[in-house]
Amino acid sequence: AQRVTQPEKLLSVFKGAPVELKCNYSYSGSPELFWYVQYSRQRLQLLLRHISRESIKGFTADLNKGETSFHLKKPFAQEEDSAMYYCAEYNNNDMRFGAGTRLTVKP
Amino acid sequence: DGGITQSPKYLFRKEGQNVTLSCEQNLNHDAMYWYRQDPGQGLRLIYYSQIVNDFQKGDIAEGYSVSREKKESFPLTVTSAQKNPTAFYLCASMGSGVQPQHFGDGTRLSIL
Repeated sequence: AQRVTQPEKLLSVFKGAPVELKCNYSYSGSPELFWYVQYSRQRLQLLLRHISRESIKGFTADLNKGETSFHLKKPFAQEEDSAMYYCAEYNNNDMRFGAGTRLTVKP
Repeated sequence: DGGITQSPKYLFRKEGQNVTLSCEQNLNHDAMYWYRQDPGQGLRLIYYSQIVNDFQKGDIAEGYSVSREKKESFPLTVTSAQKNPTAFYLCASMGSGVQPQHFGDGTRLSIL
């Protein structure tokens, strides 16, 4: 069963526009949630995790338990943000990923 | 980042042949994972291992096998029973507790 849902496979915005990548999870307890990013020709790498509550490269993500969501947001997108983004949930000793959203930031 | 090394980078399999993908880590991580990455489907978990000599099936384990004889190594064998093996395979490791995963560069497997 899909534990992590990313409803948008593709997302395109213009430079300077706000961007939100959606993620919904299914675990009813206290999940451990992550956002990973894969830039062109680079390894998949951690972008941020919810427990750190930090902003990385201008991105933030807030855990909303009522909506079981962990959407990734950035107020002003940059061209270098173009990448594949994966939301992930850690539970029961395994890490499960969503299908990913490919973000394209146009000049 | 030499923490996780996957080899080979490209691999070709003939019909009916088993092939083994290598994954080695020098991060002293206990947990290791294998994922399959297909376009539009994200990363799907094949197998994972929390400690040496122990591993569990993920969502799509059929047609695959693993071993964990050493902490540093978690090879994945794609058997002939896997009817659609063409994909990009990613290995990851994770430290104790809930830590971010570290990923390798991946292996692209194709069928001849």
